[in-house]
Amino acid sequence: SAVISQKPSRDICQRGTSLTIQCQVDSQVTMMFWYRQQPGQSLTLIATANQGSEATYESGFVIDKFPISRPNLTFSTLTVSNMSPEDSSIYLCSVPDREAFFGQGTRLTVV
Amino acid sequence: GDSVTQMEGPVTLSEEAFLTINCTYTATGYPSLFWYVQYPGEGLQLLLKATKADDKGSNKGFEATYRKETTSFHLEKGSVQVSDSAVYFCALNSGGGADGLTFGKGTHLIIQP
Repeated sequence: SAVISQKPSRDICQRGTSLTIQCQVDSQVTMMFWYRQQPGQSLTLIATANQGSEATYESGFVIDKFPISRPNLTFSTLTVSNMSPEDSSIYLCSVPDREAFFGQGTRLTVV
Repeated sequence: GDSVTQMEGPVTLSEEAFLTINCTYTATGYPSLFWYVQYPGEGLQLLLKATKADDKGSNKGFEATYRKETTSFHLEKGSVQVSDSAVYFCALNSGGGADGLTFGKGTHLIIQP
């Protein structure tokens, strides 16, 4: 099973700023997923990050708002750009390995 | 597209009561089905899964059976404990791991002593 480390675990940010969330996996994985969990809501897939290619974004999410890097097979970052209070959510990375494993999540509050 | 529907919460039960959380799905092909649990202040954890029809997933006293004919994957436990209080998410994957998961809205379970 994969072990996923995500940081920061939480942050409070000013509107208009950007935050980069890091996700480190203890083994090499081809795909990594980024999800958002808005308050009281379920998880929604933001994008799929494959090493060596552009991330694939789900409907309603765009690269300018959520740029993703995938420099190698064990690491990815998600940036939440030009934040507004509506971006306050828990952001989670996940890797598929027979089942989906999740990081602990980053609880973001935008004020 | 794929979708998961699960009963809305919160669901409040007394300790030792029988638990059922309903989950139905719509998907192409034959998806894998999952239940995830999120304890207060913690990350998402896989509770159990089933990958084909009539499979039963089980863990920590929880069970769910993959019912293809009714497209359901209801979560059950015979005797709940206060420590089971959490949010439970039903989810599916129809892409064989190549796609992300589709989640239900989650059911908040509250167990009272």
